[in-house]
Amino acid sequence: EPEVTQTPSHQVTQMGQEVILRCVPISNHLYFYWYRQILGQKVEFLVSFYNNEISEKSEIFDDQFSVERPDGSNFTLKIRSTKLEDSAMYFCASFVQNTEAFFGQGTRLTVV
Amino acid sequence: AQSVTQLGSHVSVSEGALVLLRCNYSSSVPPYLFWYVQYPNQGLQLLLKYTSAATLVKGINGFEAEFKKSETSFHLTKPSAHMSDAAEYFCAVSLVGAGNMLTFGGGTRLMVKP
Repeated sequence: EPEVTQTPSHQVTQMGQEVILRCVPISNHLYFYWYRQILGQKVEFLVSFYNNEISEKSEIFDDQFSVERPDGSNFTLKIRSTKLEDSAMYFCASFVQNTEAFFGQGTRLTVV
Repeated sequence: AQSVTQLGSHVSVSEGALVLLRCNYSSSVPPYLFWYVQYPNQGLQLLLKYTSAATLVKGINGFEAEFKKSETSFHLTKPSAHMSDAAEYFCAVSLVGAGNMLTFGGGTRLMVKP
């Protein structure tokens, strides 16, 4: 069964450092999302990406965040200067329109 | 804008008992509704979805949910709980024609006692 793959599974970084979280969506999917889940809290939408551009973003997705699909297969989330409050589980999701979203296993980001 | 409320952040049942996890939604247009399950240290797995076909939806692992428009509810049920059902359950809504962005509820942690 096809699946969304995220790497790394766990990343520890120092405050102020840049991190890149990587996702390989399912190959024929067209819509890509990043969500995050701070420990003990609800899953929150960050950004959606379609046709090589951001289609929607939440207020969480400020100038510190960026997304890219550099090579037609990977989908990355970059945080330029991490803060303690960026510590969370980050989920990538992909889908074809009007079907369910397929989620990756997540990357646990710990900012110290 | 759409929103989801899950009543009860923690639900505890005995093995073999009925599982009922509550979800109410708010949306200005016809919604799609989903239940996802998250096992410890794992990602989100789709249990079932409602996309305007049958109002009673059957999912994996014996779960089902019923869409009730009059009550704006989409409660998740399972007739007999199993120890392996212990997990966090999330109800989510997306709007038809709105790019399928999911809005999640706060989650309900299901505990199953032997």
